[in-house]
Amino acid sequence: KQEVTQIPAALSVPEGENLVLNCSFTDSAIYNLQWFRQDPGKGLTSLLLIQSSQREQTSGRLNASLDKSSGRSTLYIAASQPGDSATYLCAAPASGGSYIPTFGRGTSLIVHP
Amino acid sequence: DAGVIQSPRHEVTEMGQEVTLRCKPISGHNSLFWYRQTMMRGLELLIYFNNNVPIDDSGMPEDRFSAKMPNASFSTLKIQPSEPRDSAVYFCASSHSSNEKLFFGSGTQLSVL
Repeated sequence: KQEVTQIPAALSVPEGENLVLNCSFTDSAIYNLQWFRQDPGKGLTSLLLIQSSQREQTSGRLNASLDKSSGRSTLYIAASQPGDSATYLCAAPASGGSYIPTFGRGTSLIVHP
Repeated sequence: DAGVIQSPRHEVTEMGQEVTLRCKPISGHNSLFWYRQTMMRGLELLIYFNNNVPIDDSGMPEDRFSAKMPNASFSTLKIQPSEPRDSAVYFCASSHSSNEKLFFGSGTQLSVL
């Protein structure tokens, strides 16, 4: 059974810092990995999807990397802003060649001015 | 496109009552997922449909839960009878294919008293 772990569970940083969120997964036979953002009381918004054949994806100030062999992914946020405050979740497909995303518990990020 | 549309946004009901949650996926998407989110357990998959066919319902807690997808533009999740432990946020999500980005609805906040 796929297990997805995110560290740290919570993070508070001053505006302008570069930061790294970590995601680890137990079954490396995955087709892709996705990073999501969730604002309080809202649904999840997909940020980046990395296919298994790729090593990283970039969107603006966000960069996500994938290392299947070690079962790890990182989300790098450059020059953080208060508007980046949210919970960030990663999702890897369930075991056995499934496409069904299994979610970590998320990292709750606060960026203070 | 308006995105994934869920209704109702909030539902408060009494124990023993039937609850029906509704979802309209993004037009053209052939994969549909129902998830449940709680503080204790995070995001858990309930059921996955592909081309309107249930593929994986291993996450459905018990016989009180049922889900249908009568056509490509509509799905329901029914709880009968409801119990206080069913209180959670229920999300519907869809994707164009099983290996593409997942789009979430705004969720239904269910409270069973």
